[in-house]
Amino acid sequence: AQTVTQSQPEMSVQEAETVTLSCTYDTSESNYYLFWYKQPPSRQMILVIRQEAYKQQNATENRFSVNFQKAAKSFSLKISDSQLGDTAMYFCALEETSGSRLTFGEGTQLTVNP
Amino acid sequence: NAGVTQTPKFQVLKTGQSMTLQCAQDMNHEYMSWYRQDPGMGLRLIHYSVGAGITDQGEVPNGYNVSRSTTEDFPLRLLSAAPSQTSVYFCASSYSPTGPNEKLFFGSGTQLSVL
Repeated sequence: AQTVTQSQPEMSVQEAETVTLSCTYDTSESNYYLFWYKQPPSRQMILVIRQEAYKQQNATENRFSVNFQKAAKSFSLKISDSQLGDTAMYFCALEETSGSRLTFGEGTQLTVNP
Repeated sequence: NAGVTQTPKFQVLKTGQSMTLQCAQDMNHEYMSWYRQDPGMGLRLIHYSVGAGITDQGEVPNGYNVSRSTTEDFPLRLLSAAPSQTSVYFCASSYSPTGPNEKLFFGSGTQLSVL
């Protein structure tokens, strides 16, 4: 069974600084997709970034980038130039290509302080 | 373009009552799913459907029923509500379950309290 673990329940960062959120996962498959979702207080789930396991290059989306270490089964999210609007719960998620199930981690509550 | 619409947004039930959480999407998506979100546990898959007439169980299916009679709708039924079902419920859909360009669209959630 696939599992996703986020070991940091809460984190905080000063505005304009950089923060990294950690995620580890376990799967027996060689091909899968990894995601980071953001959930602000509005409760809406927003896709931040996606990584395909067969791609070596780390995904980037503006101020958001990932460090994907396939051998270590690690998938961290780096947020550069943090903004107050980045305050949210962040979820790491895994989807195996052989199935139809998205498995989420426990979440990390990120607070950006002015 | 409404996307994924969930109703109601809030609901309070008494133990033993039944209710249906509604989910509708207008994007002609084949794949639809239900998740529950509990503090410290992330989102957990309850049931999912890969097309009309096809449903399957997820990680936590007990106490919930689903059906998929149309592409657009995927209701979640609680036949006899229990306090352990107090949670935030999310419906999500996508054109297909997986794919390099696939994106899961989420509804705005339903806050359910069972007393």
